[in-house]
Amino acid sequence: DSGVTQTPKHLITATGQRVTLRCSPRSGDLSVYWYQQSLDQGLQFLIQYYNGEERAKGNILERFSAQQFPDLHSELNLSSLELGDSALYFCASSPQLEDTQYFGPGTRLTVL
Amino acid sequence: GQNIDQPTEMTATEGAIVQINCTYQTSGFNGLFWYQQHAGEAPTFLSYNVLDGLEEKGRFSSFLSRSKGYSYLLLKELQMKDSASYLCADFSGAGSYQLTFGKGTKLSVIP
Repeated sequence: DSGVTQTPKHLITATGQRVTLRCSPRSGDLSVYWYQQSLDQGLQFLIQYYNGEERAKGNILERFSAQQFPDLHSELNLSSLELGDSALYFCASSPQLEDTQYFGPGTRLTVL
Repeated sequence: GQNIDQPTEMTATEGAIVQINCTYQTSGFNGLFWYQQHAGEAPTFLSYNVLDGLEEKGRFSSFLSRSKGYSYLLLKELQMKDSASYLCADFSGAGSYQLTFGKGTKLSVIP
């Protein structure tokens, strides 16, 4: 158990819908990262927050957005869902930007 | 920090030693991570190398050559539970320290 929590564990929804994934970092960690993992792509970096502010964006679609709240938890919002958005979404956290990232258990999203 | 290359699959025998190689682009390089990931589970941290040389941690060791853009993960005394994907990731990007992952090496340990 890394200390990073993610909810929900599984999510099944339909195309066109919108969902919110939630992440609570390890106690004391200021930095939160979101990754997408699909079968053929491997782990892809989406976005990074540090102490409430966005620090870096990776391959994140415009239909996706995220934020980090004052209590440091983070939410990833996925809208206008497509079949291809079906994947495992992982959140990771680290104390500072240059520290080791520890991953949560992930949310498995299935879009039907 | 792009173009992380590692073998797609490897098979090794229980009790043996296996070496998983990883190459990366050296520009903007800040360090190299190895993670283990069992199917459907979260990646778990194994090692971090920032300086040249070998870091040993129990049955697992990791090596880095910054000048060659090369790293390897060495697993000794293989156990069946070591069957998993091993992900190499480089730590780069000015100011953001984002991880760029390779596609992973799926290791199968056979009796």
